[in-house]
Amino acid sequence: KAGVTQTPRYLIKTRGQQVTLSCSPISGHRSVSWYQQTPGQGLQFLFEYFSETQRNKGNFPGRFSGRQFSNSRSEMNVSTLELGDSALYLCASSLRDQETQYFGPGTRLLVL
Amino acid sequence: GEDVEQSLFLSVREGDSSVINCTYTDSSSTYLYWYKQEPGAGLQLLTYIFSNMDMKQDQRLTVLLNKKDKHLSLRIADTQTGDSAIYFCAEVGRGSTLGRLYFGRGTQLTVWP
Repeated sequence: KAGVTQTPRYLIKTRGQQVTLSCSPISGHRSVSWYQQTPGQGLQFLFEYFSETQRNKGNFPGRFSGRQFSNSRSEMNVSTLELGDSALYLCASSLRDQETQYFGPGTRLLVL
Repeated sequence: GEDVEQSLFLSVREGDSSVINCTYTDSSSTYLYWYKQEPGAGLQLLTYIFSNMDMKQDQRLTVLLNKKDKHLSLRIADTQTGDSAIYFCAEVGRGSTLGRLYFGRGTQLTVWP
């Protein structure tokens, strides 16, 4: 089975722009979670989706949003980018919510 | 489930055993995980242990769980240079945060030839 895929792998944006990241879960997995990884804050939970519904949200401003489609693919969007949004964004999928999460390779975002 | 702690660095010689330690906060956590991250990569699931177990062995990996002390450890036998990476301990949230993972800061394992 193919693993979790994330696109794009690398992205450079400037402050004020917006960005959309995409995640395709492992086939058959219905839950997708997003995490932000930075050297300063480590790994922080953004949100979790299951069956197109957001089940859980971390402590991030409203500029961070996401959605899940009927095929379980998920996107996250960050609007009005700030320098501090530079990070590795990791997506993880699980068969159902509250089960073991498998991570993708991440999207590395650099905000200039 | 919000304060998982790990030591930041560990150096071992190739062929020796490595032991990475972790303390977690929520005694009712159901699953505890170990993930590995190599440079420029995502997180690779190494192993996990259910909270009603004390020990789990998987080839070179041994996980020990002490629920009383909320202490989790990962032992890597016969450590190889390819094991050099960052290792993260994670616990699953409970209640309103069920399903979300809380991670430690990661332990950078360096294996010397």
